[in-house]
Amino acid sequence: KNEVEQSPQNLTAQEGEFITINCSYSVGISALHWLQQHPGGGIVSLFMLSSGKKKHGRLIATINIQEKHSSLHITASHPRDSAVYICAVVGATNKLIFGTGTLLAVQP
Amino acid sequence: NAGVTQTPKFQVLKTGQSMTLQCAQDMNHEYMSWYRQDPGMGLRLIHYSVGAGITDQGEVPNGYNVSRSTTEDFPLRLLSAAPSQTSVYFCASSQWGAEEQFFGPGTRLTVL
Repeated sequence: KNEVEQSPQNLTAQEGEFITINCSYSVGISALHWLQQHPGGGIVSLFMLSSGKKKHGRLIATINIQEKHSSLHITASHPRDSAVYICAVVGATNKLIFGTGTLLAVQP
Repeated sequence: NAGVTQTPKFQVLKTGQSMTLQCAQDMNHEYMSWYRQDPGMGLRLIHYSVGAGITDQGEVPNGYNVSRSTTEDFPLRLLSAAPSQTSVYFCASSQWGAEEQFFGPGTRLTVL
């Protein structure tokens, strides 16, 4: 079993829909990252959080340390949000452990 | 700032050839790392460095060497390329391992 599990693996949404991507992990962590990878391949950091909730524009990330679970929400989704969203946790040795990603397609 | 740069963007090698993937950052970050990304798998850590002169192995280090002679540069060397090393390679840097990660654009490597 992977130490970081994301769901769903694939997600198709209509423009304007509210989207949730989930990340569960089984190890102790000091922080959790949400990353975005566009079809061109570049990876950008969206959020880093260790507790509570963060918001940036239409993106919201939450984490529940006790339940070892994080969610990434996208409000009013747009086709330009189409990308792979990757969850990564910072483990005990300060190394990142990555989930396999969620492929999101937002259709106009 | 250029951020994290990687060269080359694409490379085709024959089995047994060696090559170096270059990575440089201009943000004075201490922590640099190399990952490979394969279909259906998350990014996997190859090697990392916590500062100039200090490197350590990650999850999949076999067949790769690194060195860190300066804060800016962290090259990855393939000693004798194998088809199993066909992958997309990403270099990343951060002020520290738990901080915001900055990724390079990636190198797509094919080993025939």
